[in-house]
Formats: sequence, structure tokens, C-alpha cells
Amino acid sequence: SSELTQDPAVSAALGQTVRITCLGDSLRSYYATWYQQKPGQAPRLVIYGKNNRPSGIPDRFSGSSSGNTASLTITGAQAEDEADYYCYSRDNSGNHLVFGGGTKLTVL
Amino acid sequence: QVQLQESGPGLVKPSETLSLTCTVSGGSISGYYWTWIRQPPGKGLEWIGNIHYSGNTNFSPSLRSRVTISLDTSKNQFSLRLRSVTAADTAVYYCARGGSGVQIYYYYYFMDVWGKGTTVTVSS
Repeated sequence: SSELTQDPAVSAALGQTVRITCLGDSLRSYYATWYQQKPGQAPRLVIYGKNNRPSGIPDRFSGSSSGNTASLTITGAQAEDEADYYCYSRDNSGNHLVFGGGTKLTVL
Repeated sequence: QVQLQESGPGLVKPSETLSLTCTVSGGSISGYYWTWIRQPPGKGLEWIGNIHYSGNTNFSPSLRSRVTISLDTSKNQFSLRLRSVTAADTAVYYCARGGSGVQIYYYYYFMDVWGKGTTVTVSS
């Protein structure tokens, strides 16, 4: 099992705000990075650092962190946001990098 | 615009060595961490390891004993070798460009450019 824990699945109604969380002791010392992956595609960077979005990522995506929990929030989920989301950061030793187990987002 | 492309055999026999190469085009290999990630069928992403352009490497503890990552700056390529493969190593393998930063005293790590991925099946 991963040292970064994510809920396996979440769902949201179209236009609803949805929060995807990532728990881990290392997150008290490091920010989480978030990736979106759609079927058959490579992952895509959506949030890095405190709350930074690469060019092309809609501003409905935002990141936050508190204690051992990092969150990815989608304000007004769209149908095209349906995907798997992974958090990424240091492991508990601080020496290696690790992904969370992933969260499947369904937009209803 | 930087692009990455994985190449290598799609089928490897059990106990043999998996070898993949990632070619970097449209940019320099300097200044980044060049990373390998894999994803078994129907499962999540697994960080395999990376190599800094300086030559320093870092590997997942679970794979460290079997993995080598090398860099060829003259060809703008980096490579993965995974020894003694089993069916559990069957996966889509991705290469990616990685980096790090610091913001308000906290570090973060990211991979911002990814290859499309290549499927490797371990089977006799």
C-alpha cells in the first residue's frame, strides 16, 4: 500500500464542487502534486506547489494543504473532469517519491 | 516544446532484462530529473526512479535491487533497465521530465512533461 492514501472513488453532480484528498505523514513537510489521468492517456499535471496550475489547466482546479492532508478541489465539476486523480510527493523517509493510490472521479 | 518518446521491446521473457529508452526532443536534458513511472493494467501509478542531469540517481526501495537508470546527454536520451522480470512487471511504462521547487519553506516535486507510454508484457 502507498504511503499516500486516497479514497478509491468519489462522485459529484455536474457543476458541483468536489474535493479529492490525499493523506500522508510526509505531507506535513512537503506539498503534494496532483495529476489527472484519463483512460488510455498519460497523466497530466494539474496542481503543483502551494496552489499552482500549469498553463492550460482551468482555474476551477485548486490545491490546498493542512497538516497531513492535501486536497484537490474542483469548483464546478465538468463532464470532462471525469478521470483518475493521483497525488504525488515524498515518502515518509523523505528519500524517495511516491504516488497515492488514485481516486476515480465520476461526474454525474 | 519538449516531447518525450519511449521505445523498446513490447514483450520480454520472464527472468530476462527489460530495457527502455526515452528520447527527449525540443529541449535540453540539463537541469531536470529524468524519471520512469509504470502502471500495471487496471492499477495505479508507480514511481520507479529518476536520474538527475548531474548523474545522481534515486530509486524506489521496492525496485532498487533490480533497476538501473542511465543518461546519454550526447543523444538526449535516458534509459531504464529492469533485471529479472516477472509477470508482475507487466505494465505501461512512462518516461517524464521532473523538477522540484520550494514555496514558503516547503518543497514540492513534479513531472510536467510525459511520454505517451509504452506497454511491456512479460511472458514466455
